[in-house]
Amino acid sequence: DAKTTQPPSMDCAEGRAANLPCNHSTISGNEYVYWYRQIHSQGPQYIIHGLKNNETNEMASLIITEDRKSSTLILPHATLRDTAVYYCTAERGGATNKLIFGTGTLLAVQP
Amino acid sequence: DGGITQSPKYLFRKEGQNVTLSCEQNLNHDAMYWYRQDPGQGLRLIYYSQIVNDFQKGDIAEGYSVSREKKESFPLTVTSAQKNPTAFYLCASTTGVGETQYFGPGTRLLVL
Repeated sequence: DAKTTQPPSMDCAEGRAANLPCNHSTISGNEYVYWYRQIHSQGPQYIIHGLKNNETNEMASLIITEDRKSSTLILPHATLRDTAVYYCTAERGGATNKLIFGTGTLLAVQP
Repeated sequence: DGGITQSPKYLFRKEGQNVTLSCEQNLNHDAMYWYRQDPGQGLRLIYYSQIVNDFQKGDIAEGYSVSREKKESFPLTVTSAQKNPTAFYLCASTTGVGETQYFGPGTRLLVL
Protein backbone atom coordinates (compact mmCIF):
# COMPACT_ATOMS: atom_id res chain seq x y z
CA ASP A 1 0.00 0.00 0.00
CA ALA A 2 1.31 3.40 -0.95
CA LYS A 3 2.10 5.80 1.87
CA THR A 4 1.05 9.40 1.36
CA THR A 5 2.73 12.49 2.80
CA GLN A 6 1.01 15.84 3.24
CA PRO A 7 1.93 19.08 4.98
CA PRO A 8 0.19 19.28 8.37
CA SER A 9 -1.39 22.68 7.75
CA MET A 10 -1.88 25.43 5.18
CA ASP A 11 -3.54 28.83 5.06
CA CYS A 12 -5.42 30.34 2.16
CA ALA A 13 -7.16 33.67 1.68
CA GLU A 14 -10.87 33.55 0.96
CA GLY A 15 -11.57 33.74 -2.78
CA ARG A 16 -8.10 32.61 -3.74
CA ALA A 17 -7.12 29.20 -5.06
CA ALA A 18 -6.00 26.64 -2.51
CA ASN A 19 -3.35 24.22 -3.75
CA LEU A 20 -2.87 21.19 -1.51
CA PRO A 21 0.09 18.93 -2.30
CA CYS A 22 0.44 15.22 -1.67
CA ASN A 23 3.43 12.96 -2.12
CA HIS A 24 2.80 9.30 -2.95
CA SER A 25 6.14 8.21 -4.33
CA THR A 26 5.50 4.50 -3.68
CA ILE A 27 2.17 4.35 -5.46
CA SER A 28 1.68 1.31 -7.66
CA GLY A 29 0.18 1.19 -11.11
CA ASN A 30 -3.27 0.06 -10.04
CA GLU A 31 -3.74 2.49 -7.15
CA TYR A 32 -6.00 5.47 -7.53
CA VAL A 33 -5.31 8.79 -5.82
CA TYR A 34 -8.32 9.83 -3.75
CA TRP A 35 -9.00 13.08 -1.94
CA TYR A 36 -11.44 13.43 0.92
CA ARG A 37 -12.05 16.19 3.39
CA GLN A 38 -13.35 16.16 6.94
CA ILE A 39 -14.99 19.08 8.62
CA HIS A 40 -14.66 18.95 12.38
CA SER A 41 -16.55 16.05 13.98
CA GLN A 42 -18.21 14.95 10.76
CA GLY A 43 -17.65 12.00 8.45
CA PRO A 44 -15.18 12.46 5.59
CA GLN A 45 -16.59 13.73 2.32
CA TYR A 46 -15.40 12.54 -1.06
CA ILE A 47 -13.89 15.24 -3.28
CA ILE A 48 -12.25 13.71 -6.32
CA HIS A 49 -10.08 10.83 -7.50
CA GLY A 50 -7.87 9.92 -10.44
CA LEU A 51 -5.49 7.33 -11.80
CA LYS A 52 -3.25 8.98 -14.40
CA ASN A 53 -5.05 11.88 -16.00
CA ASN A 54 -5.94 15.21 -14.45
CA GLU A 55 -9.52 15.38 -13.26
CA THR A 56 -12.00 18.16 -12.59
CA ASN A 57 -15.42 18.20 -11.02
CA GLU A 58 -17.71 20.79 -9.46
CA MET A 59 -15.70 20.84 -6.26
CA ALA A 60 -12.07 20.73 -7.30
CA SER A 61 -9.35 19.81 -9.75
CA LEU A 62 -6.78 17.07 -9.33
CA ILE A 63 -3.40 17.35 -10.99
CA ILE A 64 -1.32 14.16 -11.02
CA THR A 65 2.31 14.31 -12.12
CA GLU A 66 3.35 12.23 -15.08
CA ASP A 67 5.37 9.85 -12.89
CA ARG A 68 2.39 9.63 -10.50
CA LYS A 69 4.58 10.24 -7.48
CA SER A 70 2.71 13.33 -6.38
CA SER A 71 -0.52 15.18 -6.90
CA THR A 72 -2.13 18.53 -6.11
CA LEU A 73 -5.71 19.22 -5.16
CA ILE A 74 -6.89 22.62 -6.31
CA LEU A 75 -9.89 24.42 -4.83
CA PRO A 76 -10.27 27.25 -7.34
CA HIS A 77 -12.04 29.79 -5.13
CA ALA A 78 -11.73 28.85 -1.48
CA THR A 79 -14.48 29.88 0.92
CA LEU A 80 -14.62 29.82 4.70
CA ARG A 81 -16.68 26.62 4.47
CA ASP A 82 -13.72 24.90 2.83
CA THR A 83 -11.84 24.99 6.14
CA ALA A 84 -11.30 21.31 6.91
CA VAL A 85 -8.74 18.54 7.08
CA TYR A 86 -7.95 17.25 3.59
CA TYR A 87 -6.83 13.68 3.17
CA CYS A 88 -4.95 12.30 0.22
CA THR A 89 -5.12 8.52 0.00
CA ALA A 90 -3.99 5.81 -2.32
CA GLU A 91 -6.63 3.19 -2.87
CA ARG A 92 -5.37 -0.30 -3.22
CA GLY A 93 -6.86 -1.56 -6.44
CA GLY A 94 -8.02 -5.14 -6.53
CA ALA A 95 -8.84 -6.68 -3.21
CA THR A 96 -10.48 -4.57 -0.58
CA ASN A 97 -11.01 -0.99 -1.71
CA LYS A 98 -9.46 -0.13 1.63
CA LEU A 99 -8.49 3.50 2.12
CA ILE A 100 -5.27 4.33 3.92
CA PHE A 101 -5.79 7.65 5.67
CA GLY A 102 -2.85 9.61 7.03
CA THR A 103 -3.11 12.70 9.22
CA GLY A 104 -4.02 15.01 6.33
CA THR A 105 -3.62 18.77 5.83
CA LEU A 106 -5.61 21.23 7.90
CA LEU A 107 -6.60 23.97 5.46
CA ALA A 108 -7.55 27.21 7.18
CA VAL A 109 -9.30 29.65 4.89
CA GLN A 110 -8.84 33.19 6.18
CA PRO A 111 -11.38 35.98 5.62
CA ASP B 1 -32.63 10.45 0.37
CA GLY B 2 -29.92 7.85 -0.04
CA GLY B 3 -27.13 7.73 2.48
CA ILE B 4 -25.51 6.17 5.50
CA THR B 5 -26.85 6.58 9.00
CA GLN B 6 -25.02 5.85 12.21
CA SER B 7 -26.49 5.73 15.66
CA PRO B 8 -26.20 6.86 18.31
CA LYS B 9 -24.25 10.07 17.79
CA TYR B 10 -22.74 9.75 21.28
CA LEU B 11 -22.36 6.53 23.25
CA PHE B 12 -21.11 5.97 26.76
CA ARG B 13 -19.59 2.69 27.86
CA LYS B 14 -18.99 1.46 31.37
CA GLU B 15 -15.98 -0.64 32.24
CA GLY B 16 -16.43 -4.28 31.18
CA GLN B 17 -19.47 -3.53 29.05
CA ASN B 18 -20.04 -4.47 25.42
CA VAL B 19 -21.66 -1.81 23.25
CA THR B 20 -22.95 -1.96 19.68
CA LEU B 21 -22.74 0.83 17.12
CA SER B 22 -25.27 0.83 14.33
CA CYS B 23 -24.55 1.49 10.65
CA GLU B 24 -27.27 1.38 8.00
CA GLN B 25 -27.10 2.29 4.31
CA ASN B 26 -29.77 2.51 1.63
CA LEU B 27 -27.36 3.02 -1.26
CA ASN B 28 -27.47 -0.64 -2.31
CA HIS B 29 -23.72 -0.83 -1.76
CA ASP B 30 -22.07 -4.21 -1.48
CA ALA B 31 -19.03 -3.24 0.61
CA MET B 32 -19.07 -1.67 4.07
CA TYR B 33 -16.28 -0.56 6.37
CA TRP B 34 -15.65 0.49 9.95
CA TYR B 35 -12.90 2.96 10.78
CA ARG B 36 -11.64 4.35 14.06
CA GLN B 37 -10.34 7.90 14.41
CA ASP B 38 -8.42 9.17 17.43
CA PRO B 39 -7.98 12.90 18.11
CA GLY B 40 -5.66 14.53 15.59
CA GLN B 41 -5.14 11.26 13.77
CA GLY B 42 -6.17 9.75 10.48
CA LEU B 43 -8.54 6.81 10.05
CA ARG B 44 -7.65 3.23 10.83
CA LEU B 45 -9.58 0.28 9.44
CA ILE B 46 -11.24 -2.04 11.97
CA TYR B 47 -13.30 -4.43 9.84
CA TYR B 48 -14.71 -4.54 6.35
CA SER B 49 -17.27 -6.62 4.49
CA GLN B 50 -17.49 -7.01 0.75
CA ILE B 51 -20.62 -9.12 0.72
CA VAL B 52 -23.38 -10.34 3.00
CA ASN B 53 -22.31 -12.99 5.52
CA ASP B 54 -18.64 -12.31 4.93
CA PHE B 55 -16.25 -9.91 6.64
CA GLN B 56 -12.52 -9.47 7.12
CA LYS B 57 -10.32 -8.01 9.83
CA GLY B 58 -8.68 -4.70 9.20
CA ASP B 59 -5.57 -3.29 10.84
CA ILE B 60 -6.95 -2.94 14.39
CA ALA B 61 -9.64 -5.61 14.79
CA GLU B 62 -8.70 -6.77 18.29
CA GLY B 63 -11.44 -6.06 20.78
CA TYR B 64 -14.09 -5.54 18.10
CA SER B 65 -16.62 -7.78 16.37
CA VAL B 66 -19.02 -7.32 13.46
CA SER B 67 -21.81 -9.07 11.62
CA ARG B 68 -23.25 -8.68 8.11
CA GLU B 69 -26.58 -10.47 8.03
CA LYS B 70 -28.17 -7.94 5.72
CA LYS B 71 -26.75 -5.91 2.85
CA GLU B 72 -27.98 -2.69 4.44
CA SER B 73 -26.56 -3.20 7.91
CA PHE B 74 -23.08 -3.62 9.37
CA PRO B 75 -23.14 -3.25 13.18
CA LEU B 76 -19.91 -2.97 15.16
CA THR B 77 -19.61 -4.30 18.71
CA VAL B 78 -16.93 -2.86 20.95
CA THR B 79 -16.20 -5.59 23.46
CA SER B 80 -14.77 -5.38 26.95
CA ALA B 81 -11.51 -6.68 25.48
CA GLN B 82 -10.97 -3.31 23.80
CA LYS B 83 -9.08 -1.50 26.55
CA ASN B 84 -8.98 1.92 24.96
CA PRO B 85 -12.28 2.33 23.12
CA THR B 86 -12.67 6.10 23.39
CA ALA B 87 -12.64 7.35 19.79
CA PHE B 88 -14.73 8.57 16.87
CA TYR B 89 -16.10 5.64 14.85
CA LEU B 90 -16.92 6.02 11.18
CA CYS B 91 -18.84 3.66 8.93
CA ALA B 92 -18.48 3.77 5.14
CA SER B 93 -19.82 1.94 2.12
CA THR B 94 -18.96 1.62 -1.54
CA THR B 95 -20.21 -0.19 -4.61
CA GLY B 96 -16.86 -1.87 -5.05
CA VAL B 97 -13.26 -1.55 -6.04
CA GLY B 98 -12.28 1.77 -7.55
CA GLU B 99 -15.46 3.46 -6.41
CA THR B 100 -16.00 6.29 -3.97
CA GLN B 101 -16.51 5.56 -0.29
CA TYR B 102 -19.46 7.28 1.35
CA PHE B 103 -19.16 7.95 5.05
CA GLY B 104 -21.73 8.20 7.79
CA PRO B 105 -21.77 11.04 10.34
CA GLY B 106 -19.90 9.00 12.95
CA THR B 107 -20.44 7.86 16.53
CA ARG B 108 -18.34 9.22 19.36
CA LEU B 109 -17.72 6.59 22.04
CA LEU B 110 -16.72 7.65 25.52
CA VAL B 111 -15.81 5.49 28.50
CA LEU B 112 -17.28 6.35 31.89
